Amino acid sequence: KAGVTQTPRYLIKTRGQQVTLSCSPISGHRSVSWYQQTPGQGLQFLFEYFSETQRNKGNFPGRFSGRQFSNSRSEMNVSTLELGDSALYLCASRGDFSGANVLTFGAGSRLTVL
Amino acid sequence: KNQVEQSPQSLIILEGKNCTLQCNYTVSPFSNLRWYKQDTGRGPVSLTIMTFSENTKSNGRYTATLDADTKQSSLHITASQLSDSASYICVVSRGGVTGTASKLTFGTGTRLQVTL
Repeated sequence: KAGVTQTPRYLIKTRGQQVTLSCSPISGHRSVSWYQQTPGQGLQFLFEYFSETQRNKGNFPGRFSGRQFSNSRSEMNVSTLELGDSALYLCASRGDFSGANVLTFGAGSRLTVL
Repeated sequence: KNQVEQSPQSLIILEGKNCTLQCNYTVSPFSNLRWYKQDTGRGPVSLTIMTFSENTKSNGRYTATLDADTKQSSLHITASQLSDSASYICVVSRGGVTGTASKLTFGTGTRLQVTL
């Protein structure tokens, strides 16, 4: 069974640009959540999608957005990039929305903003 | 405020030695506690998950303990190997909250380096 796939793995952008990251969950998993990981803050919850609907959102500005498609694949977008957005962005999937299952993480997308 | 604190921040040990990582939390109400291992450049991988009623759970050379009264957990690594070099993240789940990911509180991790 293929794991959670995130693309691209690495990318470099400049301030003011926008970026789109993609996440393909484990086949059959319908819940996808996104996290920002920085050395000082650890993992911070961005948002969670289930059945193409955003179910929960963390405390991030509106520049951070996402969506989920009918095949459960998800994308997140960050507009008007700032230096502080440099981080590892992780996505995780699980089979349902009940909380009973463990999150399976992808390898992440490492974003560097110059 | 729901918080998870881990100690030490970083640790260097010799191969073959044992070590213990600590996790203190103030998350309430408590649902479960998970330990994840994150290799450099990779996503976290689940090691153990413990509910309120469980005191100890093992996964190979990894043994996690939970004291729900003092809100403390530890991860003990026995006979460490070079491949144990990674960050270990403690994650606590709140009960009574709709949705899965939003009720997780992550620690900032302990960075373990195992050397020869």
